[in-house]
Amino acid sequence: ETGVTQSPTHLIKTRGQQVTLRCSSQSGHNTVSWYQQALGQGPQFIFQYYREEENGRGNFPPRFSGLQFPNYSSELNVNALELDDSALYLCASSLNRGFFDSGYTFGSGTRLTVV
Amino acid sequence: AQRVTQPEKLLSVFKGAPVELKCNYSYSGSPELFWYVQYSRQRLQLLLRHISRESIKGFTADLNKGETSFHLKKPFAQEEDSAMYYCALSGDTDKLIFGTGTRLQVFP
Repeated sequence: ETGVTQSPTHLIKTRGQQVTLRCSSQSGHNTVSWYQQALGQGPQFIFQYYREEENGRGNFPPRFSGLQFPNYSSELNVNALELDDSALYLCASSLNRGFFDSGYTFGSGTRLTVV
Repeated sequence: AQRVTQPEKLLSVFKGAPVELKCNYSYSGSPELFWYVQYSRQRLQLLLRHISRESIKGFTADLNKGETSFHLKKPFAQEEDSAMYYCALSGDTDKLIFGTGTRLQVFP
């Protein structure tokens, strides 16, 4: 059984650029959630994908968008990067929506720095 | 509004001392509450959830709806408990709302 893998691990982008972050969910999991963790803060919910459809979104602007593929892997896209987008981006997979199983399995994250 | 508050950024104790990491929440319904832990250089992982009423690694947490609290406790801290601890709430959606975390340092 494999865990959640995220790529890349680190990334540096310039303000105004676009970035794509990738996440492979744990084997058997069909739901992927993305979180942003700024320095010194707890993770904040961006959005969740369940069976390739968006299933809930946090308080993030439309320039944050996502996809989930038939194999349940997922991408997070951020357009028009701003300095405040610098953060650790966490992907978490789970079996079905909600927390009635063992809950989320988190990846190690992608650290994005916007300069 | 749904909110989780962890008032302490850092908690330092000596090995063998009792530990209590505080967590208060704001939610009008019946919440599901969790504690997540992140050890150095490791990913965030679930420590315990209130509905399972388990004791994991000697840690327990009781949901007190009157005080809207879900404090994490351990009677005798170990050095390997040093980590970042996050309290999280799930309300009527499928997202988790995290607190800002408390760093626990256990000195020998």
